[in-house]
Amino acid sequence: GAGVSQTPSNKVTEKGKYVELRCDPISGHTALYWYRQSLGQGPEFLIYFQGTGAADDSGLPNDRFFAVRPEGSVSTLKIQRTERGDSAVYLCASSLGSDTQYFGPGTRLTVL
Amino acid sequence: RKEVEQDPGPFNVPEGATVAFNCTYSNSASQSFFWYRQDCRKEPKLLMSVYSSGNEDGRFTAQLNRASQYISLLIRDSKLSDSATYLCVVNKYSGNTPLVFGKGTRLSVIA
Repeated sequence: GAGVSQTPSNKVTEKGKYVELRCDPISGHTALYWYRQSLGQGPEFLIYFQGTGAADDSGLPNDRFFAVRPEGSVSTLKIQRTERGDSAVYLCASSLGSDTQYFGPGTRLTVL
Repeated sequence: RKEVEQDPGPFNVPEGATVAFNCTYSNSASQSFFWYRQDCRKEPKLLMSVYSSGNEDGRFTAQLNRASQYISLLIRDSKLSDSATYLCVVNKYSGNTPLVFGKGTRLSVIA
């Protein structure tokens, strides 16, 4: 079956621009997670949705970052006024209940 | 102190070798423990969950010591295809929760 998909696979933007990253979870998965992975580091948690609501957004680094999941399926991570330090791979994962989290291939964001 | 700490690596081992990775975690409330494998420029994939009683999956054996907050992974008879980064992972709190990852330990198995 289809796994988690993320678009775009790569995004290059200029400092100060706005970007949106999309995640399509595995069909039927109620939980959706966003992580960010910088070079040489493990993934770091950003935000977690249970259904449509953000159950835990404690990992969002600041108010430039925002995420939505309006219908409990697809999620969009939005970054305003991008900075060079935002450059990383943004990973999305989904799970059914408390089962294994399955990761998507990620979006590689480069802020010039 | 980082929430999850791993051996820094890299580990370069010949084919057929046995290699062990160690990991400690700081949050005693963590309830679930995992090893994930990540290939270069790919997403992390679950290798195995780790249980208090220890568990084995083929050439891979994972151990958990809750008292010491210590997790290990043993790989026997290393294959070239085992070359990857191994991530020690715990859940942030009990139940259906975000994951906290270690920095990862890179393994290179050499012919």
